[in-house]
Amino acid sequence: NAGVTQTPKFQVLKTGQSMTLQCAQDMNHNSMYWYRQDPGMGLRLIYYSASEGTTDKGEVPNGYNVSRLNKREFSLRLESAAPSQTSVYFCASSETAKNIQYFGAGTRLSVL
Amino acid sequence: AQTVTQSQPEMSVQEAETVTLSCTYDTSESDYYLFWYKQPPSRQMILVIRQEAYKQQNATENRFSVNFQKAAKSFSLKISDSQLGDAAMYFCAYRSALGFGNEKLTFGTGTRLTIIP
Repeated sequence: NAGVTQTPKFQVLKTGQSMTLQCAQDMNHNSMYWYRQDPGMGLRLIYYSASEGTTDKGEVPNGYNVSRLNKREFSLRLESAAPSQTSVYFCASSETAKNIQYFGAGTRLSVL
Repeated sequence: AQTVTQSQPEMSVQEAETVTLSCTYDTSESDYYLFWYKQPPSRQMILVIRQEAYKQQNATENRFSVNFQKAAKSFSLKISDSQLGDAAMYFCAYRSALGFGNEKLTFGTGTRLTIIP
């Protein structure tokens, strides 16, 4: 079973460039999430989608946009990347908001 | 806002011994969930164990068990018979049980566990 799949696994950007991180899950989950992980810190929620067609801001949404393309896919876009967005990004999904969240393998992003 | 504190940045244990990782949290809610996630060098976040706050019985999963002290807001993880494959960063996490708008996991800063052969 694939579970939660994130692409790409690694990316290097220059300041000001844009990119989209892709996330897809094959577990028919309703809820999906984007987190970032910085050194010495736990994961922090950027955005989440409780169900198809809805998205909400998390703890650190500035500089990001998201799209819940369909039930399977939830993308994270950086319109104008900044060095402060250098981080590891994780996508997660859960059946409902009350269930366990399952994580993808992460995307390591460096912004120079 | 809820906070999760892991006061041990690093821990080490001899193979086959037992180790306990500490976690405390702060919340005004009475119903919530607590989790321990393991992150090996592969970076994958793997759920180790989950505890529901309204259940008094401590959760166990094979060699992993928790000591949940609701009044003290403490949630420690005990790993018995430590194995080399247990080496990883361990994160404690909190989630409200209130539902929509409160789904996020709040993570501690992690404890890096080293297993000594």
